[in-house]
Amino acid sequence: ETGVTQTPRHLVMGMTNKKSLKCEQHLGHNAMYWYKQSAKKPLELMFVYNFKEQTENNSVPSRFSPECPNSSHLFLHLHTLQPEDSALYLCASSQDPAGVYNEQFFGPGTRLTVL
Amino acid sequence: AQSVAQPEDQVNVAEGNPLTVKCTYSVSGNPYLFWYVQYPNRGLQFLLKYITGDNLVKGSYGFEAEFNKSQTSFHLKKPSALVSDSALYFCAVRDPFPRGGYNKLIFGAGTRLAVHP
Repeated sequence: ETGVTQTPRHLVMGMTNKKSLKCEQHLGHNAMYWYKQSAKKPLELMFVYNFKEQTENNSVPSRFSPECPNSSHLFLHLHTLQPEDSALYLCASSQDPAGVYNEQFFGPGTRLTVL
Repeated sequence: AQSVAQPEDQVNVAEGNPLTVKCTYSVSGNPYLFWYVQYPNRGLQFLLKYITGDNLVKGSYGFEAEFNKSQTSFHLKKPSALVSDSALYFCAVRDPFPRGGYNKLIFGAGTRLAVHP
């Protein structure tokens, strides 16, 4: 256990559905991240929240909508997704997002399948 | 542009033999380098990091990595591989240019390590 939990672990949804992914970190960290991991592609950083403020939106389509109500919780709201959005979505947190000791701690991921 | 390369998609090793997973980087200034491991159906786990100091960094599960500035490499090593080491390994470098108070990690594409009994 890394101290970062994600729910659900698996999600199957149709293209017209709306669903949300949840991430919670129990490490007292200040920054939280969403990544997309697709087969045979590098990890794609999607969003970064630093002290609850969004500091990065890496050209992510608007059908992905993040929410960070506090420094321990992070959501990714999904709507009208496409089949190519099927991937493993990873949440991570770090203590010092700007310092040199900013190793990130990852959750187990949500395996998303869009039909 | 800052980047990380893992030249091997897969590395095959017999159990008990030494293993090496390669990583090279391109970054402005002093590099801050990381290795992560991903077991099946799990998130990435931090293994070790190089910030400064001794070029040989020791990490979790008996892994170590050697920083070589002249070759811009940070190869992951283990003297004796275990079947349980079979996983996906990612090298990462810290982007030295902050944006929005944040220095992102740039990940390589990953190398799959297969250790055979």
